[in-house]
Amino acid sequence: GAVVSQHPSRVICKSGTSVKIECRSLDFQATTMFWYRQFPKKSLMLMATSNEGSKATYEQGVEKDKFLINHASLTLSTLTVTSAHPEDSSFYICSGRGPSGLANYGYTFGSGTRLTVV
Amino acid sequence: DQQVKQNSPSLSVQEGRISILNCDYTNSMFDYFLWYKKYPAEGPTFLISISSIKDKNEDGRFTVFLNKSAKHLSLHIVPSQPGDSAVYFCAANAGGTSYGKLTFGQGTILTVHP
Repeated sequence: GAVVSQHPSRVICKSGTSVKIECRSLDFQATTMFWYRQFPKKSLMLMATSNEGSKATYEQGVEKDKFLINHASLTLSTLTVTSAHPEDSSFYICSGRGPSGLANYGYTFGSGTRLTVV
Repeated sequence: DQQVKQNSPSLSVQEGRISILNCDYTNSMFDYFLWYKKYPAEGPTFLISISSIKDKNEDGRFTVFLNKSAKHLSLHIVPSQPGDSAVYFCAANAGGTSYGKLTFGQGTILTVHP
């Protein structure tokens, strides 16, 4: 149980374009989705928390206008990197959390998306 | 401000021996701790966790020890196998409204030699 599917696994885009990353909870309803970013040989850093049907909460230093998060349904959250630049190249990972009281949800991660901006 | 620290960037162990990975934290609000194994370009894979009300949790070859007074936890892998070679991340959660929101350490690269 608690499977999170993330697509695409790898994307290369031109500078200035936008890229959308999807995360789907396959066997539970993800009321909350967490989006992380990992720079090469670095730790995973939380970017934002999205709750179904409401605006995302961004961590300090994360540009909300660059990283648009939509969580329109209980099984799908998307992260759109707008006007991407080479410094946005990174590994992006999501994890989903179900309704309170369900153990371990929120600790299962998607497989990640490697974004390369050229 | 690094609230979760893994001070050893790498660890090399012989197959069959014990691997001990260490993690320190500073935030006393953390009440749940997890260890993940990660390969490049993949999402983290959950290994084992421990609640702050316990000091030890065991699952097969993996044991996690928590010393709350020292704000220190460790992951023991016995016996180590070459397939255990990966990056290991320690993570912590503060519970409550932060449930599911994890703070990660920097990771330790474990290499198990045959």
